[in-house]
Amino acid sequence: ELKVEQNPLFLSMQEGKNYTIYCNYSTTSDRLYWYRQDPGKSLESLFVLLSNGAVKQEGRLMASLDTKARLSTLHITAAVHDLSATYFCGYSGGSNYKLTFGKGTLLTVNP
Amino acid sequence: AAGVIQSPRHLIKEKRETATLKCYPIPRHDTVYWYQQGPGQDPQFLISFYEKMQSDKGSIPDRFSAQQFSDYHSELNMSSLELGDSALYFCASSLSRPPTDTQYFGPGTRLTVL
Repeated sequence: ELKVEQNPLFLSMQEGKNYTIYCNYSTTSDRLYWYRQDPGKSLESLFVLLSNGAVKQEGRLMASLDTKARLSTLHITAAVHDLSATYFCGYSGGSNYKLTFGKGTLLTVNP
Repeated sequence: AAGVIQSPRHLIKEKRETATLKCYPIPRHDTVYWYQQGPGQDPQFLISFYEKMQSDKGSIPDRFSAQQFSDYHSELNMSSLELGDSALYFCASSLSRPPTDTQYFGPGTRLTVL
């Protein structure tokens, strides 16, 4: 059974600090996704990582993929309050396009 | 840019009633997915359709059924509703062409069963 594990599940940060969210998955990955969700809202696509060593950056967020370690990371640089949200990593593999998500990381950025 | 449309946005039903949720994918997207998200939970895959045929099935109760129509819109039909069916239901669509098939999520339908 495929498992996707995120940690931490809760993260309280101060503005201006850096931190990393980790996503481990239990099988060979074809595609790894990161989504953002604000409370009661939809899931917004942030990054798609398709190959070992892939790194993508958008603003203060940077995502990477290590398929050998079965690990993806989402790094937050100089956090600001607007980044407060829940972040999900999701796995999709082979011809099976459904997304299996981690439990999510609730990020709170405090002034 | 056009996004995924879902209707209704909010729905309140009594136990044992029936509900129908609708999804209109992004134009030219060929695949539709349905997910259920309980309070404080991650989204759980229910069912998907590729070119109007069911392509995959997840943890969807037998009381639920879904289909995709010729115009690519999809409907999720839920019968004999239970309190535990209260959740956010998301539809997502994608253009399933390698190497990427990013799923774009709609705003969701919040179903409350009383």
